[in-house]
Amino acid sequence: DAGVTQSPTHLIKTRGQQVTLRCSPISGHKSVSWYQQVLGQGPQFIFQYYEKEERGRGNFPDRFSARQFPNYSSELNVNALLLGDSALYLCASSLEWGIEKLFFGSGTQLSVL
Amino acid sequence: AQKITQTQPGMFVQEKEAVTRDCTYDTSDPSYGLFWYKQPSSGEMIFLIYQGSYDQQNATEGRYSLNFQKARKSANLVISASQLGDSAMYFCAMREVNYGGSQGNLIFGKGTKLSVKP
Repeated sequence: DAGVTQSPTHLIKTRGQQVTLRCSPISGHKSVSWYQQVLGQGPQFIFQYYEKEERGRGNFPDRFSARQFPNYSSELNVNALLLGDSALYLCASSLEWGIEKLFFGSGTQLSVL
Repeated sequence: AQKITQTQPGMFVQEKEAVTRDCTYDTSDPSYGLFWYKQPSSGEMIFLIYQGSYDQQNATEGRYSLNFQKARKSANLVISASQLGDSAMYFCAMREVNYGGSQGNLIFGKGTKLSVKP
């Protein structure tokens, strides 16, 4: 079975642009979470979705938004990009909400110039 | 506020040796979960081991074990018989069961690097 897949793997944008990152969870997993990992730091929680509803939101500005589709895939959108948004964006899925074990994808490396 | 602290510098270990990676945490919630993930250069976070705050026994998963000392708020990862494929960044993380109504988000430490030499 395929693991968590994320696209694209790498992305280069300029300040002020908008970006959409995509995530497909493991088949059967209903919960998707997004994390931002800045170089040299641990991942930081952005959003969690379960059954297409937002179940948690981290301390990120409103420029960050996300949604989950009926097939449980998810998109993360970031508007008005800043240099500080440059990071590895990780998607994680779990079977249900609140399940301990998260499965992560390999991430999307976003560079903002 | 919830916090995970990993302060060990990166280290080299010889293949087949045992190694410990330290983690301390801070929380006021009596119910929480502790995790260890490893992140190789590919970027993927790989789940290693989980310990619940009410678990009586220390968790073990194959070559990985977690030395859980609740009173000291520490959750150290022990890897027995290191392998070359263990070279990676290691992250300790915590999830509070009732944090803000969400049960899914993890709080990660800054990570600690391990390099295994042949």
